[in-house]
Amino acid sequence: GNSVTQMEGPVTLSEEAFLTINCTYTATGYPSLFWYVQYPGEGLQLLLKATKADDKGSNKGFEATYRKETTSFHLEKGSVQVSDSAVYFCALSALTNAGKSTFGDGTTLTVKP
Amino acid sequence: GAVVSQHPSWVICKSGTSVKIECRSLDFQATTMFWYRQFPKQSLMLMATSNEGSKATYEQGVEKDKFLINHASLTLSTLTVTSAHPEDSSFYICSASGGASILETQYFGPGTRLLVL
Repeated sequence: GNSVTQMEGPVTLSEEAFLTINCTYTATGYPSLFWYVQYPGEGLQLLLKATKADDKGSNKGFEATYRKETTSFHLEKGSVQVSDSAVYFCALSALTNAGKSTFGDGTTLTVKP
Repeated sequence: GAVVSQHPSWVICKSGTSVKIECRSLDFQATTMFWYRQFPKQSLMLMATSNEGSKATYEQGVEKDKFLINHASLTLSTLTVTSAHPEDSSFYICSASGGASILETQYFGPGTRLLVL
């Protein structure tokens, strides 16, 4: 079946540091890939997505590139802020699973001033 | 952007009572809605998928008689936790997607925190 593996957390960074959260996936066919962010006590917000190989999703300074050859969708940001502290989920959605999303376990990011 | 609301955001109830949670798509028609459960510091667990006008499809291990899902319109789905018990306490999140493709982006509600005493 489909699966998503995320870099284990928690991740603690200083403000303005570079962020990478690794995400790899296993899926049949050609899934769409997503990053979601969850702030404390809230639901998930879509951060960015990519629907085909080599697509780059970007939003609010975050980027991730759909790499089919390495089955990866790593999240990056050049300079994190305290307000980026949250839990980040990598997810995929595939036709072979009726469009249902498969989520990674989430990575908690804490940014210190 | 697409907005999904949930009501209530918090609910505390006594064991044995039933609780209804509403999920609404405010500015788009949601052909499909998903219900998830999230335990503290864990990922989302899909409970069921509902399509407007048809019966919900439940994931393996989810009791359909306990978690009643109704998707009566293109903007509203409800989850009723029947005869709730303390082990049902959790964070329940819905998501909604519209459009013809089943790979349409899901938009998530803010979640409902249920505490059963």
